[in-house]
Amino acid sequence: GAGVSQTPSNKVTEKGKYVELRCDPISGHTALYWYRQSLGQGPEFLIYFQGTGAADDSGLPNDRFFAVRPEGSVSTLKIQRTERGDSAVYLCASSLGGRMGETQYFGPGTRLLVL
Amino acid sequence: EDQVTQSPEALRLQEGESSSLNCSYTVSGLRGLFWYRQDPGKGPEFLFTLYSAGEEKEKERLKATLTKKESFLHITAPKPEDSATYLCAAVSSNTGKLIFGQGTTLQVKP
Repeated sequence: GAGVSQTPSNKVTEKGKYVELRCDPISGHTALYWYRQSLGQGPEFLIYFQGTGAADDSGLPNDRFFAVRPEGSVSTLKIQRTERGDSAVYLCASSLGGRMGETQYFGPGTRLLVL
Repeated sequence: EDQVTQSPEALRLQEGESSSLNCSYTVSGLRGLFWYRQDPGKGPEFLFTLYSAGEEKEKERLKATLTKKESFLHITAPKPEDSATYLCAAVSSNTGKLIFGQGTTLQVKP
């Protein structure tokens, strides 16, 4: 079946602008995760959804970052008043049930560049 | 604090030259140790999950092993197409989150 998909694949924006990044998880997966990956580093956790609710948002760096998953499937990561330091690859992953230690499957990522 | 460290940061091998990548972890109550492969411009691709010390898993030229403090990814007779960044990640019972190392970038020359 189809894997995790993310759109857009690349996004260039100007400092101060608002951006939305979309993630479509594997069909039937109830858990969805967002990560941020800087160059030469491993992914860092941002937020975890179980169904429609954010079960853990402790990785969001500040209140400019917000994510939603209104129908328990597609999720949108929203970044307000973007800063140059927000430039990174934003990865989405999903897992079947969200149990601890369950395998997470990643999408291709959205490469965000803030000028 | 939960932590995952990978070594070396970069590894260059000749085709056919076997080697191992190391992943050292310090987590509270390991709930899973994961290996992923990441090609340039792509997302991480799942390879293996290990849950308990002594466990081993194999896939083609790759074998992952786990002890109480570290995991190894053994690459036997690598080919150029094995060139990629290999990421290790651990889940602790403390946080339930996937904590990644910084990765090992492997280059296999023909």
